[in-house]
Amino acid sequence: AQKVTQAQTEISVVEKEDVTLDCVYETRDTTYYLFWYKQPPSGELVFLIRRNSFDEQNEISGRYSWNFQKSTSSFNFTITASQVVDSAVYFCALSEESSGDKLTFGTGTRLAVRP
Amino acid sequence: KAGVTQTPRYLIKTRGQQVTLSCSPISGHRSVSWYQQTPGQGLQFLFEYFSETQRNKGNFPGRFSGRQFSNSRSEMNVSTLELGDSALYLCASSLDGQGVTDTQYFGPGTRLTVL
Repeated sequence: AQKVTQAQTEISVVEKEDVTLDCVYETRDTTYYLFWYKQPPSGELVFLIRRNSFDEQNEISGRYSWNFQKSTSSFNFTITASQVVDSAVYFCALSEESSGDKLTFGTGTRLAVRP
Repeated sequence: KAGVTQTPRYLIKTRGQQVTLSCSPISGHRSVSWYQQTPGQGLQFLFEYFSETQRNKGNFPGRFSGRQFSNSRSEMNVSTLELGDSALYLCASSLDGQGVTDTQYFGPGTRLTVL
């Protein structure tokens, strides 16, 4: 069965600090997809990134970067030079090819960035 | 392009009543999925519709049902409401790339309160 673990429930940092959000997943499929979503207080889930299981290249988008390691079943998310606007709940999610578009979410990490 | 829209945004019902929530996907998207978000259970998959057919279903009782119309718009219905049904209900749409797991884009959600 598929499972996503986000062990960090809450993280608090001061603005401009770097912060890494951890995500560990479990799946029996060889083809799967990993996602990160951001949920600000308004409630809407905002898509950040999608990765398939065959692409282990790290990705950088502005202040955001993602580290995908199949060997440790991890897909970690780093925010560099955090800003107050980054305060939100971040969810890691997994979709197996055999389950279509169904997403299995982690429990989320609440990030608070203090000025 | 307009995002996923959900109506109503807020709803208050009493136990035993039924409720219908509506979702309009992004133009051109043909797959619609529904998720329930509660503090205790987190984000859980309800069901997915494609071409007016339920393609995937989560582990929820039969009181939860849905449908999709020919224009891809979707509705979900919860009958005989229970206090535990109080939640944020999120709708997501995806393009559906015929065999490829697509990225799901979420709407703002409907916050249902059952008294």
